[in-house]
Amino acid sequence: EDQVTQSPEALRLQEGESSSLNCSYTVSGLRGLFWYRQDPGKGPEFLFTLYSAGEEKEKERLKATLTKKESFLHITAPKPEDSATYLCAASGGSYIPTFGRGTSLIVHP
Amino acid sequence: DAGVTQSPTHLIKTRGQQVTLRCSPKSGHDTVSWYQQALGQGPQFIFQYYEEEERQRGNFPDRFSGHQFPNYSSELNVNALLLGDSALYLCASSHRGYNSPLHFGNGTRLTVT
Repeated sequence: EDQVTQSPEALRLQEGESSSLNCSYTVSGLRGLFWYRQDPGKGPEFLFTLYSAGEEKEKERLKATLTKKESFLHITAPKPEDSATYLCAASGGSYIPTFGRGTSLIVHP
Repeated sequence: DAGVTQSPTHLIKTRGQQVTLRCSPKSGHDTVSWYQQALGQGPQFIFQYYEEEERQRGNFPDRFSGHQFPNYSSELNVNALLLGDSALYLCASSHRGYNSPLHFGNGTRLTVT
């Protein structure tokens, strides 16, 4: 059974304080590793797809990386508008993404 | 370009009742997936529709059923509602489905009393 575990569950940062979110996955034959951002009362918003170990993707202050067992979402010099829940999902042989419980990020001004 | 739209946004039902939720996919997308998200949890896969057929199903009972129409829109039906069915129901669309990123609507908040 595919499993995705995210840590920490919650993270509080000061504006400008860089940090990383972790996503550990166990899937049979990784087809894709996905990162989403979810604001309160909204649906998840797609950020990145990573397909193979060593791959990296960047978007503004966010950078996602992938190894054979985990993915990291690095947040550089975050701003209050980066506050949200970040969801990780991994798809294996079924191509259906299994989601983690998410990391709730709060960035204080 | 309209994204994924879901209706209604909120719904309150009583135990034992039946509910139908609706979803219109993003323009150009032909695959629709439904997820259930309980408070503080990640989305849980219910099922996926492609070419008007249920292509895959998660670990949900038969009380959960769906349909996809020729215009790719979709419905989720839940019969004999239980208190535990209270959740945010998310519809996601994708192109061809296999490994394409999912584009989500803002969900329907279902409360069962």
